[in-house]
Amino acid sequence: KQEVTQIPAALSVPEGENLVLNCSFTDSAIYNLQWFRQDPGKGLTSLLLIQSSQREQTSGRLNASLDKSSGRSTLYIAASQPGDSATYLCAVSILLSSGSARQLTFGSGTQLTVLP
Amino acid sequence: NAGVTQTPKFRILKIGQSMTLQCTQDMNHNYMYWYRQDPGMGLKLIYYSVGAGITDKGEVPNGYNVSRSTTEDFPLRLELAAPSQTSVYFCASSYSGQPFGNQPQHFGDGTRLSIL
Repeated sequence: KQEVTQIPAALSVPEGENLVLNCSFTDSAIYNLQWFRQDPGKGLTSLLLIQSSQREQTSGRLNASLDKSSGRSTLYIAASQPGDSATYLCAVSILLSSGSARQLTFGSGTQLTVLP
Repeated sequence: NAGVTQTPKFRILKIGQSMTLQCTQDMNHNYMYWYRQDPGMGLKLIYYSVGAGITDKGEVPNGYNVSRSTTEDFPLRLELAAPSQTSVYFCASSYSGQPFGNQPQHFGDGTRLSIL
């Protein structure tokens, strides 16, 4: 059974610092990996999607990497800002047993606080 | 473009009551999903649908039912509500071409449900 772990559960950094969030998964047979942002009381916003054949994706100050063989992904946030404060979730896409769709298996998230 | 819309946003139920959580998407996505998120945890898949008239169980389907009569709508039904069903429920949709294209899932803002 696929398990996704995110460490640390919470992280607090001063504004302007570069930071890395970690995600690990137990089964390397994934189709893709997504990083999401979740603000309190809100839904999930997709930040980056890395296909299984890719090594990294970039969007603005965000860079996500994927190492399938070691079951790891990192989300790098450059020059962090207070507006980056949120919970960041990673999820891996696996094929459902029916063979007709994909399921996202989520980690429990890292709650990030960027202090002004 | 509204994306994925969930109603209601909040609801309190008594044990044994039933209700339907509504989800609609306007992106013409063929795949739709229902997840639940318990406090401090990742999301777990309840049910999913690969198209109108086709639904299947996810990881935690007990106590729930779904239907998919149209491409746009994917309601989730709770029968005989129990305290263990207190959670935040998220609906998501995605477009997956052949052979399981790497498209991100788009999420609604969630329904916060308390069973007392």
